[in-house]
Amino acid sequence: EPEVTQTPSHQVTQMGQEVILRCVPISNHLYFYWYRQILGQKVEFLVSFYNNEISEKSEIFDDQFSVERPDGSNFTLKIRSTKLEDSAMYFCASSSQREMGTKNIQYFGAGTRLSVL
Amino acid sequence: LAKTTQPISMDSYEGQEVNITCSHNNIATNDYITWYQQFPSQGPRFIIQGYKTKVTNEVASLFIPADRKSSTLSLPRVSLSDTAVYYCLVGDLNSGGYQKVTFGTGTKLQVIP
Repeated sequence: EPEVTQTPSHQVTQMGQEVILRCVPISNHLYFYWYRQILGQKVEFLVSFYNNEISEKSEIFDDQFSVERPDGSNFTLKIRSTKLEDSAMYFCASSSQREMGTKNIQYFGAGTRLSVL
Repeated sequence: LAKTTQPISMDSYEGQEVNITCSHNNIATNDYITWYQQFPSQGPRFIIQGYKTKVTNEVASLFIPADRKSSTLSLPRVSLSDTAVYYCLVGDLNSGGYQKVTFGTGTKLQVIP
């Protein structure tokens, strides 16, 4: 079964450093997303991406965040200057409109645990 | 997006059938109902999706009454590995190719040996 893969599984960084979280969405999917989940809290939407541009972003997704699809397979989330409160699990997801009889089923990766020290 | 309400937690013994009900009183005509499952430290995983009546797959069944103001996820004969958080989500059928998924707090199912 195709799956979304994320690397690294765990990223430790110092406050103020830049981090890049990487994702390889399912190959024929067209829509890409990032979510985050702070320990013990809800999964929160960050951003959606389609046709090489951001479709929608949440209030969390401020100027410190950016996304990119640098090639035909990778989808990245960059945090320019990490803060302690950025510590969370970050999930990448992808979806396709083309699945028969279904709508917007999002497939999630296993996540990257970001620890900001 | 229609607001959803589901129990915060449920306990069940192994081998029992578990039914988790979600209320979505303000569901719109174009909305469909999707359930996800999340194990600790993992990403949410799609379980089942439906619009009306009953949908069944290899994992679960989804029952949606005629008024669609609620839905029930049914897990047959749960095992310890079904311990997870289950999320009910409601979204627009005509929203185009994408829609952000808005997660609530979900129902934490604890399966007891």
